[in-house]
Amino acid sequence: AQSVAQPEDQVNVAEGNPLTVKCTYSVSGNPYLFWYVQYPNRGLQFLLKYITGDNLVKGSYGFEAEFNKSQTSFHLKKPSALVSDSALYFCAVRDLPMDSSYKLIFGSGTRLLVRP
Amino acid sequence: DTGVSQNPRHKITKRGQNVTFRCDPISEHNRLYWYRQTLGQGPEFLTYFQNEAQLEKSRLLSDRFSAERPKGSFSTLEIQRTEQGDSAMYLCASSPESGQALQPQHFGDGTRLSIL
Repeated sequence: AQSVAQPEDQVNVAEGNPLTVKCTYSVSGNPYLFWYVQYPNRGLQFLLKYITGDNLVKGSYGFEAEFNKSQTSFHLKKPSALVSDSALYFCAVRDLPMDSSYKLIFGSGTRLLVRP
Repeated sequence: DTGVSQNPRHKITKRGQNVTFRCDPISEHNRLYWYRQTLGQGPEFLTYFQNEAQLEKSRLLSDRFSAERPKGSFSTLEIQRTEQGDSAMYLCASSPESGQALQPQHFGDGTRLSIL
């Protein structure tokens, strides 16, 4: 079965420092991976996706993610964190290729706290 | 593009009552999804529509749950005889048909259900 794991419940970083939010995946076939961000009492906002191609994917708000097939990882990164980046981040994988719904399977989420 | 709209934003009801939520997807998005998110967890898939056809339902969707998308536009999710365990955020998402799995899902801000 397709799955993703986010090993850190919380990541703390100082404003201006680089940040990394970790995600590992387990899939059958090609991985289709996504990152979403959730602010309090809001829905999920799409940040970026990996389908194929370059291992470094650039997304919204200065975020990027590095796909590593050998390590089955898809870590989210940003060179310089902002206090406004503080939120809940979810990694997700699309379900099995033969599943026509293309529903997403989410990790448990990582809370990012950026201190001033 | 006005985004995915969900109503109501919050619903408080007594155990045993019926509740109905509405989702208006982004116009011309053929695919519509319902997810449930409990505190501290990632969203879990409930059901999927392609146009007006409900093509997949999760095992999480008990007999008390029913979803419709009568004209292939807005959708409703009804929970009958609510239970304490139904307390959660109910998220709706939509995506276009084109590009198959490559298109990200766009989420609404959800309906938070609290069962007294």
